[in-house]
Amino acid sequence: AQSVSQHNHHVILSEAASLELGCNYSYGGTVNLFWYVQYPGQHLQLLLKYFSGDPLVKGIKGFEAEFIKSKFSFNLRKPSVQWSDTAEYFCAVATDSWGKLQFGAGTQVVVTP
Amino acid sequence: DGGITQSPKYLFRKEGQNVTLSCEQNLNHDAMYWYRQDPGQGLRLIYYSQIVNDFQKGDIAEGYSVSREKKESFPLTVTSAQKNPTAFYLCASSIAGTSVETQYFGPGTRLLVL
Repeated sequence: AQSVSQHNHHVILSEAASLELGCNYSYGGTVNLFWYVQYPGQHLQLLLKYFSGDPLVKGIKGFEAEFIKSKFSFNLRKPSVQWSDTAEYFCAVATDSWGKLQFGAGTQVVVTP
Repeated sequence: DGGITQSPKYLFRKEGQNVTLSCEQNLNHDAMYWYRQDPGQGLRLIYYSQIVNDFQKGDIAEGYSVSREKKESFPLTVTSAQKNPTAFYLCASSIAGTSVETQYFGPGTRLLVL
């Protein structure tokens, strides 16, 4: 069965630290990849997505992610986090022509001032 | 203001009772989705619909039913056959339901069993 794995369930870091969240998927065919974010009290929203072209994609609020096909990975990065980046982050993968998404379990990120 | 609305915010279900969660969108999107979110498990797809009067089962459809009689509405019924209904339910929509599209999510309904 296809699956999406997020390596860390909880991450705590200080402001200005760098953030990297791991995401791996198990599917050998064409994939479209997403990172969604849920800020406290807000709707789940798209952070960035990849479906073709440059494997390094940039999203909102200074986030970027790199698709490495050989490693089945789509890791999310931010060089310097802010307190407002405190949120839950979800990796998601679409493996067929329809919009059916497989989500990872999520990573709760807490940024301390 | 365009978006997705879900109601109620909290819903309580008694044993043996069916309950219906509302989802409405004014984005003029063709595709709509229902997900269930449990702690530590991410989101799992219950049902999805790409066009009015048509819908497909997702990964965990057992114990749930849906209808899509109008483009803007996609209600989810949690039936008494769903033995573990306590969860956070999220509705989403996208323009046409293709795999490259962004899905837009509602605020969610938290269902609790009495």
